This record gives sequence, C-alpha cells and structure tokens, in this order.
Amino acid sequence: QVRLVESGGGLVKPGGSLRLSCATSGFIITDNYMTWIRQAPGKGLEWISYLSQTGDTKYYADSVKGRFTISRDNAKNSLYLQMNSLRVEDTAIYYCARGYSYEDAFDIWGQGTMVTVSS
Amino acid sequence: SYVLTQPPSVSVAPGETAKITCGGDNIGTKSVHWYQQRPGQAPVLVIYYDTDRPSEIPARFSGSNSGNTATLTIRRVAADDEADYYCQLWDSSGDYVVFGGGTKLTVL
Repeated sequence: QVRLVESGGGLVKPGGSLRLSCATSGFIITDNYMTWIRQAPGKGLEWISYLSQTGDTKYYADSVKGRFTISRDNAKNSLYLQMNSLRVEDTAIYYCARGYSYEDAFDIWGQGTMVTVSS
Repeated sequence: SYVLTQPPSVSVAPGETAKITCGGDNIGTKSVHWYQQRPGQAPVLVIYYDTDRPSEIPARFSGSNSGNTATLTIRRVAADDEADYYCQLWDSSGDYVVFGGGTKLTVL
C-alpha cells in the first residue's frame, strides 16, 4: 500500500529549527518527484518545496528560500525538510506529497504534521 | 508570479450540479489539477491534467479547461461532497507550484 507518514512537528520558538520527516512505503522514492506543502490554520494550501526524481534539482517558494532545505535518504525511502530561522508565519500543517513530474498532480498525500512557531 | 483565482464559496442543493471555477491568464494552455479537502483531512486528488479522474473518484466529478478558466463540475451533489476544493498547476516560467485560494462547497 502506498503511504506517506510525516513526523517531526511540534512547538518551537521564533528563530529556532525543526526537521520534518516523511516516511514512504509502497513505492520507491527515487522514482518520483516529492514535495512539501503547508497549510496555515484556517488558510489555503501553500507549496513549499520540490525535489526532483534525480535528487539534484530543488525548488523553493520565495517565502522559505534560504531558510528551508529539502532532502531525501534513498536507503530509508524518506523525505526531509530542514527548517531554520523559523517565523511565527511558518505555523502550519506540513504535508509531503508525491508526483511524477513537475507538471504532474500530487496523487498521494501524507496526513500532515503540525508545526507551531510561538514564543 | 502566476495567480489562480477561485470563488471563496459555492452553494448548491443536494442533487444539483456544482461548478467551481479557477481563473488564470491563458490557463487553458496549462495543465490543471483539482483537490478535495474535507475538514481535518489531507487533500485528495479528484481531477488531474484538466479532465482525468483517479479510478477511486466517482464519475460525478469532471473537469474542463479553456481560455482563462478551468472548471471543476460535480454532478448530483451529495452531502459528502461538502469540502474545500483547490485548483493547482505548475508555473514553468517561474519553476513554481501554484494553488488557487480554495473554494468552500456548501451543500444546502
């Protein structure tokens, strides 16, 4: 069964760091493009970052560029999001999702992990 | 950056047809995907590449895309269809994923 499970969310102070994980099962992560998407409380979906199939191309939204880093561990079939210099406005549910190309839809989503940035 | 515009809300009576629009500059030349998000749940893909439907999605859901508007159509709307719906595309000019602001579908 194809599945994505996020973890690593929690409460962090402004300026702090957090590393999110997305454990995958039922498919090989190197066969896909993987992405992180977030949703602030009561708000819409916001794309954060994309990792290419080869792993050598990464795209970021302007709102997180220079602060967040997407990566993966092929052996663990897992995706990560390192979040530094966190801001109150980064508070959101963070979802990982799977695609097959940049233009493709995200066919599988995780259940999300909540990140709260507050002093 | 590319902007997708959705109406904040659409209301429809059970059994009727709901149309949710997604506006963008020459959106008809791009591939649009649609997601359903029920309260407290992760989004679910309902339409991809403008008109295609995942096998698990009822045939009541359909999509179209032309000119400056993409449309998600839900026929014979049921209470279970009440959710937020988002359109999405890849903006190749900016290497950016774009989501519409979302439309809350209310079944009266």
